[in-house]
Amino acid sequence: DTGVSQDPRHKITKRGQNVTFRCDPISEHNRLYWYRQTLGQGPEFLTYFQNEAQLEKSRLLSDRFSAERPKGSFSTLEIQRTEQGDSAMYLCASSSLAGYSGANVLTFGAGSRLTVL
Amino acid sequence: QKEVEQDPGPLSVPEGAIVSLNCTYSNSAFQYFMWYRQYSRKGPELLMYTYSSGNKEDGRFTAQVDKSSKYISLFIRDSQPSDSATYLCAMSAGTGAAGNKLTFGGGTRVLVKP
Repeated sequence: DTGVSQDPRHKITKRGQNVTFRCDPISEHNRLYWYRQTLGQGPEFLTYFQNEAQLEKSRLLSDRFSAERPKGSFSTLEIQRTEQGDSAMYLCASSSLAGYSGANVLTFGAGSRLTVL
Repeated sequence: QKEVEQDPGPLSVPEGAIVSLNCTYSNSAFQYFMWYRQYSRKGPELLMYTYSSGNKEDGRFTAQVDKSSKYISLFIRDSQPSDSATYLCAMSAGTGAAGNKLTFGGGTRVLVKP
């Protein structure tokens, strides 16, 4: 297992188009997170899955955003009708409930960079 | 006002110097404190985590937490050019639902000059 994988690494799209990002977490991790990071800022929480259940969504996640984790393994984040303000790095992270000692240590992927023209 | 404040830098130091980074926060529920390092165009990588107040040392890195002042620090001794990166502090409120997400500072960019 080589860690958290994200695809594509960079997506350039025109305003109004739909885009989808995929995340493959560390195989034994049952928790999966999506964060968004804009230039010069820290990551901001978007949503979180435990297995296939989406348990929490940020107010940042407008109705144009949808995330799924259908079989509790990989996850997709879709943005519909993209806007220039959606341009950011979309980071996926995973962690394990097993052996949870209190510190929820997240392992991040390299991110998917979105540029909306 | 953001829950977690962090000076964006950049912080420029000569090789071998001590790098001192810090964050302040406003949410007294935060119990777990982490430092991540992020290289350009890469995802954040965990350096250290600490529970509640106190110090923790790992090699060249020392993390300190002062919950009474809502202030955390990271010190990097004998800094190397390879330490040049953005350093992000992150915090969570603990176990259960409140502990599920991390709140990050904005990051401090560090440049270690040879």
